[in-house]
Amino acid sequence: EAGVVQSPRYKIIEKKQPVAFWCNPISGHNTLYWYRQNLGQGPELLIRYENEEAVDDSQLPKDRFSAERLKGVDSTLKIQPAELGDSAVYLCASSLVQGNTEAFFGQGTRLTVV
Amino acid sequence: QKEVEQDPGPLSVPEGAIVSLNCTYSNSAFQYFMWYRQYSRKGPELLMYTYSSGNKEDGRFTAQVDKSSKYISLFIRDSQPSDSATYLCAMSASRNTPLVFGKGTRLSVIA
Repeated sequence: EAGVVQSPRYKIIEKKQPVAFWCNPISGHNTLYWYRQNLGQGPELLIRYENEEAVDDSQLPKDRFSAERLKGVDSTLKIQPAELGDSAVYLCASSLVQGNTEAFFGQGTRLTVV
Repeated sequence: QKEVEQDPGPLSVPEGAIVSLNCTYSNSAFQYFMWYRQYSRKGPELLMYTYSSGNKEDGRFTAQVDKSSKYISLFIRDSQPSDSATYLCAMSASRNTPLVFGKGTRLSVIA
């Protein structure tokens, strides 16, 4: 069974440029999460989807970050414009049922803003 | 004070040693406790999951939760070089509230 797939694996952009990350969850998983992991820190939740509905986006910096999950499957996370402080690993996770106790993580996208 | 405190290490042990990893927390509402293993440049992988207090064993791994002390532990017996990774504790008040992660402890098991 394929795991959570994220692309790209690495991205280097200049500040003020836009960037987008893509996530394909495990087939059949209705719940999808985006996390951000800064260097030397644990992941922090940005947004959680139940199917195509964003049910928890309280930690998403909405002035520059946006996310969508069309048709309740794949998801994209966008930053526009990127800032130096956005450099981090962006992790996508999915779970079959509601609840984060059974979430599976992808390998992440490492973003460097220069 | 952060909600979840975890010593970042690094921790270096010889192969075969018993490893003890710990986290403390301040939020008494936490009921779900997890340990994740994260290899370099990989996503976190769920190792152990415990609800409320008590012990849970899975092979060489044992998770303990002491809610009275707000303290959780992960023990690794007969540690192997393949156990070298960062270990993250995570906890939440319910299945649908966000996980709060510790910073992670970097472990090296030397052959």
